[in-house]
Amino acid sequence: QVQLQESGPGLVKPSGTLSLTCAVSGGSIISSYWWGWVRQSPGKGLEWIGEVYHSGSTHYNAALKSRVTMSLDTSKNHFSLRLNSVTAADTAIYYCARALYGDYHYLDYWGQGILVTVSS
Amino acid sequence: DVVMTQTPLSSPVTLGQPASISCRSSQSLVHSDGNTYLSWVQQRPGQPPRLLIYKISNRFSGVPDRFSGSGAGTDFTLKISRVEADDVGIYYCMQATQYPWTFGQGTKVDIK
Repeated sequence: QVQLQESGPGLVKPSGTLSLTCAVSGGSIISSYWWGWVRQSPGKGLEWIGEVYHSGSTHYNAALKSRVTMSLDTSKNHFSLRLNSVTAADTAIYYCARALYGDYHYLDYWGQGILVTVSS
Repeated sequence: DVVMTQTPLSSPVTLGQPASISCRSSQSLVHSDGNTYLSWVQQRPGQPPRLLIYKISNRFSGVPDRFSGSGAGTDFTLKISRVEADDVGIYYCMQATQYPWTFGQGTKVDIK
């Protein structure tokens, strides 16, 4: 059974950079899956941020694209999210999730989520 | 972006009775490959989302058969045949036909 676990600072200062990591266990990130991020804030509900493939290919939400970078570390079997120039509007629970394309196009496994607050 | 609109936003249900949630997309969700990538996810209180249904009507592994999905094009429905206490939570539709993937605003199901 695949498990995903987010980690990172729970508090980030305005204009700073949010950096999160998602550790994957029970399966390799070098696989046919994409590895993505979704956030949940009271004001905007669930918002898909983007995803990364083990080749390094990415898809980003255009609304965040100028501020987002996703990457993987295959040696540690984890993937990461960086969001720069954060504001209070970026305060949310951030989830990492596994995505499968082909005949499916779904998010089948999710991490527990990590609350990130943007505040001075 | 494709806008997903769910109704109702809240659905109080008696245990053992059915529940139904509608989801409408602002554009057709038929992909160029002919598939329709509409999913339903459940979020129990304090938990992350959990995949229930994919491609309109396919139950994900381990999902009870009291959950069913239907629809086509821009109109979709999730039905719970007999609501159990374990079903309390917020249900979201999600489209994965077009980037960015987008979610409905959620429907809260609770027990009367």
